[in-house]
Amino acid sequence: DGGITQSPKYLFRKEGQNVTLSCEQNLNHDAMYWYRQDPGQGLRLIYYSQIVNDFQKGDIAEGYSVSREKKESFPLTVTSAQKNPTAFYLCASSFGLDIQYFGAGTRLSVL
Amino acid sequence: SQQGEEDPQALSIQEGENATMNCSYKTSINNLQWYRQNSGRGLVHLILIRSNEREKHSGRLRVTLDTSKKSSSLLITASRAADTASYFCATSIYGGSQGNLIFGKGTKLSVKP
Repeated sequence: DGGITQSPKYLFRKEGQNVTLSCEQNLNHDAMYWYRQDPGQGLRLIYYSQIVNDFQKGDIAEGYSVSREKKESFPLTVTSAQKNPTAFYLCASSFGLDIQYFGAGTRLSVL
Repeated sequence: SQQGEEDPQALSIQEGENATMNCSYKTSINNLQWYRQNSGRGLVHLILIRSNEREKHSGRLRVTLDTSKKSSSLLITASRAADTASYFCATSIYGGSQGNLIFGKGTKLSVKP
């Protein structure tokens, strides 16, 4: 069953804590992306990676970090420096320059 | 950076009616895509139209692109209650980072049975 798997579905962060959101794909896609979505808003790009061991900042990278050690995996860490982390986080992947395929999302809240 | 802007922000129609959503953008594009998002879920790709195309069809979906006006429209014909979702346009910017899309804020469509 091919696709993109995000986990966990819900995540709670305590103040000062770093949390990591998982994103795994078995579509053999080279490019992967992380987006943040706030209520009633569109998607804003946090980080993207077009190839293993390389990634680039998007529009709102401050307070976030990523790694791309394997083609299948692109985890996102929300650090304590991100002061307003409550949002819906979406991971996507693409083979070329066109269609992106999305995971089901992780909803992050602050305790 | 907000490239695409959908209009209207919200649309409520009866089942069987047609739904039209519009998207305007600011800079030259490689392609424009439409995605659908059910509440609390990920986005699903619906249709892609390239900058040298004017119209595309997929099932009950019809997309038009007017590059001179920097605008696109998505028409859903004979709507169903299951079409209730948010619809986003996304643009691939000409000369932009490869593969990157810029999303609008979406149109929230409600189809009443």
